[in-house]
Amino acid sequence: SQQGEEDPQALSIQEGENATMNCSYKTSINNLQWYRQNSGRGLVHLILIRSNEREKHSGRLRVTLDTSKKSSSLLITASRAADTASYFCATDPSNTGKLIFGQGTTLQVKP
Amino acid sequence: EPEVTQTPSHQVTQMGQEVILRCVPISNHLYFYWYRQILGQKVEFLVSFYNNEISEKSEIFDDQFSVERPDGSNFTLKIRSTKLEDSAMYFCASSATVNQETQYFGPGTRLLVL
Repeated sequence: SQQGEEDPQALSIQEGENATMNCSYKTSINNLQWYRQNSGRGLVHLILIRSNEREKHSGRLRVTLDTSKKSSSLLITASRAADTASYFCATDPSNTGKLIFGQGTTLQVKP
Repeated sequence: EPEVTQTPSHQVTQMGQEVILRCVPISNHLYFYWYRQILGQKVEFLVSFYNNEISEKSEIFDDQFSVERPDGSNFTLKIRSTKLEDSAMYFCASSATVNQETQYFGPGTRLLVL
C-alpha cells in the first residue's frame, strides 16, 4: 500500500449524520493535511495537523492524528448536502514540499 | 482572501503541440508547485520551484516539461510536445515556506490532448 491511503473509498450518508474518513500512512511525518475536491474542481485545503498535535477542530471538522498508528481521521459533523465531495489526506514525508496524496474518500450526503 | 489563480480553465490541443499553463500564486508565497490528476486517479506531484530553480521533480516531469517564473507574479508549466497521456487536470499550488506549511491550490486547468 502507498503513503496516504484513505478508507472507506466511498461513503454515503443522510444529511445531518456524521461522516468519518480515515487515512493511513507509512513513513514518519511532520504534518498531515486534509483537502476537499468537488467533482471536477480544484483542491480546497481544510486543515493541517502537526505531528505533535493529537486533535484539531475547525468548524464542523475534527481531525485526529495518531502517530503511533500512523493514521488520521477526519470527522464531519452534522453533514450537509454541500459536503458532497472527495476528501484526500496528504503528507510530505520527505519534508521537501512534495505532497503525497491518497486515493481519497468520495462522500455523498443525501438531502 | 488571497488565492491561487490558473489560466486557462480548459485547454484542448492536438498531440505534438506545445501548451503553456499559467498560474498566479499567492503574492507573498515563495514556493511553487505543479501537480496533475488524471481522470479518476489521485493527485500526483510533478515539480516544486523555489528561488527561480527547480527544487524537486518527479519521474513524470521528463524533458518534455519545463517550468518558469517569467516575472514576479506568473508561474508557468510548459509541455513541449503533448502526448495523449498528458490529458489531465493540472493544479498549481503555492506555500509560504517549504514544509510545516499549507499548500494552497488553484482551481486547475483541464488539459485534453487529442
